[in-house]
Amino acid sequence: SQQGEEDPQALSIQEGENATMNCSYKTSINNLQWYRQNSGRGLVHLILIRSNEREKHSGRLRVTLDTSKKSSSLLITASRAADTASYFCATDRGGYNKLIFGAGTRLAVHP
Amino acid sequence: DTAVSQTPKYLVTQMGNDKSIKCEQNLGHDTMYWYKQDSKKFLKIMFSYNNKELIINETVPNRFSPKSPDKAHLNLHINSLELGDSAVYFCASSLRDSMRFYEQYFGPGTRLTVT
Repeated sequence: SQQGEEDPQALSIQEGENATMNCSYKTSINNLQWYRQNSGRGLVHLILIRSNEREKHSGRLRVTLDTSKKSSSLLITASRAADTASYFCATDRGGYNKLIFGAGTRLAVHP
Repeated sequence: DTAVSQTPKYLVTQMGNDKSIKCEQNLGHDTMYWYKQDSKKFLKIMFSYNNKELIINETVPNRFSPKSPDKAHLNLHINSLELGDSAVYFCASSLRDSMRFYEQYFGPGTRLTVT
């Protein structure tokens, strides 16, 4: 069954703007991961945040996790056209690295 | 230097046929996965092998049979293909242990079209 749900489903912004994508999930988790998928390509891992962490940074990416609200957000600052892709959150409830993916947010960054 | 590779990249076949997709990883990982991504981009795990042992087996028709000859390879055989099997199939790999969590590395995908 689908665990995570992202919103918005689609986001269109101009280069230089920030993009925020949200993910909600239903059951308790061990960790949450964000992945990027460029059109016609495989998924690329961005950030993994453990359930006991609240925030993580990686370059222009910032991920927050609120386990009380069962939600996470991915912030991309100073976006670039190359950030155009679909972004997925995936939750791992524990054991076997079994990731349950959300439906994704399609981000379009216009030059 | 391809980390996770899949063959073929495209597969077009008729209903009722049997086909296989191959996956190889050169990352030294001990766990491999098969995912199915449908036309709405929804990605769902199908199987996972750890050190050649099946550890995840989701509710998948038994027409789908994974095989892991060694830690670096995971193949997917599909019997009696149906129209609904049309999708993109992704292979992935990762490390796995009880002490920490690991990201997964995905292959480029195999687009299967059943006509």
